[in-house]
Amino acid sequence: EVQLVESGGGLVQPGGSLRLSCAASEFTFSSYSMNWVRQAPGKGLEWLSHISSSGESIYYADSVKGRFTISRDNAKSSLYLQMNSLRAEDTAVYYCARGFCSSTSCPAGMDVWGQGTTVTVSS
Amino acid sequence: EIQMTQSPSSLSASVGDRVTITCRTRQSISNYLSWYQQKPGKGPNLLISAASSLQSGVPSRFSGSGSGTDFTLTITSLQPEDFAMYFCQQSYSLPYTFGQGTKLEIK
Repeated sequence: EVQLVESGGGLVQPGGSLRLSCAASEFTFSSYSMNWVRQAPGKGLEWLSHISSSGESIYYADSVKGRFTISRDNAKSSLYLQMNSLRAEDTAVYYCARGFCSSTSCPAGMDVWGQGTTVTVSS
Repeated sequence: EIQMTQSPSSLSASVGDRVTITCRTRQSISNYLSWYQQKPGKGPNLLISAASSLQSGVPSRFSGSGSGTDFTLTITSLQPEDFAMYFCQQSYSLPYTFGQGTKLEIK
């Protein structure tokens, strides 16, 4: 079964750091772009970052630019999000999601999502 | 940044009903519009991509339409498992943006 499994979430103090991981299985990870998306408690979805299949192209939302770093290790089929200078407003469930291309559009959304890992920023 | 305006924010309906959720943008995004379903405690599930292409395994009672700035998700003959949150998302340009979501509840 095609799957993404996030890990690395937890409780961290404001100003602290965390590194999230996303392990991919049952698909050729190196062929797909990947994204991180978060969802604050009771809120909607917020896209955070995108990395191309090779890792050469990277983009961030303004809300995390300069604080978060996306990376990938295609040999390990893994995606990462290094989060520094964490703030209370970063409290959320963090999802990794696979970029999808349809026969007519690319990109065309995100077709595989993990179950999420919870990050809580609090003193 | 492309703002997504999704409506309604909540919707009450009965099993067997037909419901429509809309998503609008101020600038054209061609057909770079996706619809997701999310159930409590789960990651979103891609239902429709490219505005109207049904993902494999998604029931045919789900359909999407629209192009440019106005898009619609329609669910015909609601089933109990359809009561969930629904989000639209544009992938026309970065940053990708989502609609605020629609909570579909049982009447």
